[in-house]
Amino acid sequence: QVQLVESGGGVVQPGRSLRLSCAASGFTFSSYGMHWVRQAPGKGLEWVAVIWYDGSNKYYADSVKGRFTISRDNSKNTLYLQMNSLRVEDTAVYYCAREAQIYGDRDAFDIWGQGTMVTVSS
Amino acid sequence: DIQMTQSPSTLSASVGDRVTITCRASHSISSWLAWYQQKPGKAPKLLIYKASSLESGVPSRFSGSGSGTEFTLTISSLQPDDFATYYCQQYSSYSQTFGQGTKVEIK
Repeated sequence: QVQLVESGGGVVQPGRSLRLSCAASGFTFSSYGMHWVRQAPGKGLEWVAVIWYDGSNKYYADSVKGRFTISRDNSKNTLYLQMNSLRVEDTAVYYCAREAQIYGDRDAFDIWGQGTMVTVSS
Repeated sequence: DIQMTQSPSTLSASVGDRVTITCRASHSISSWLAWYQQKPGKAPKLLIYKASSLESGVPSRFSGSGSGTEFTLTISSLQPDDFATYYCQQYSSYSQTFGQGTKVEIK
């Protein structure tokens, strides 16, 4: 079945780095734009980053620009989020999500992973 | 960035009630708006896309309307499974944004 599974979360000290992964299955991963969305404990959803289906374009929220990098390996059906210079305010559940239309540049998110928790604390 | 403002933040309602949630955009987003439902500890679920299109498998009691800067999500007859938090999302710009959420509670 169509599925996204995140991994790589954990507890990390401020200023350190972490890389999240999102493994896709059940669909043609290389045809879809992919996003990262996060949710701080008890708070709302915050969009983090997008990468186009072919990796040709990437966009970031201002809050993570210059610190986070989104990437993908279509041969491995995997999405990544490299998080550097982590801050306490980056503490959140991180979800990967798929755009609903193939080869689109903007669309709603029809498939979400279960999320992976990142805690930034000294 | 385009700001999305939802109202109310919390809504108390009973089973069978008609419920309406509003979402306002700081700039026109045409119809590039989605609605999601989220339950505690779970990922969001897509309900409505392109302002008024119902996602496959979503009950017909959910409907969306609006364009430009003002949008609504309506639940025609609230069911026990509908008590959750609802978010709007604009995808007009590459830097997408969500509303702050509306929690629908049992009255």
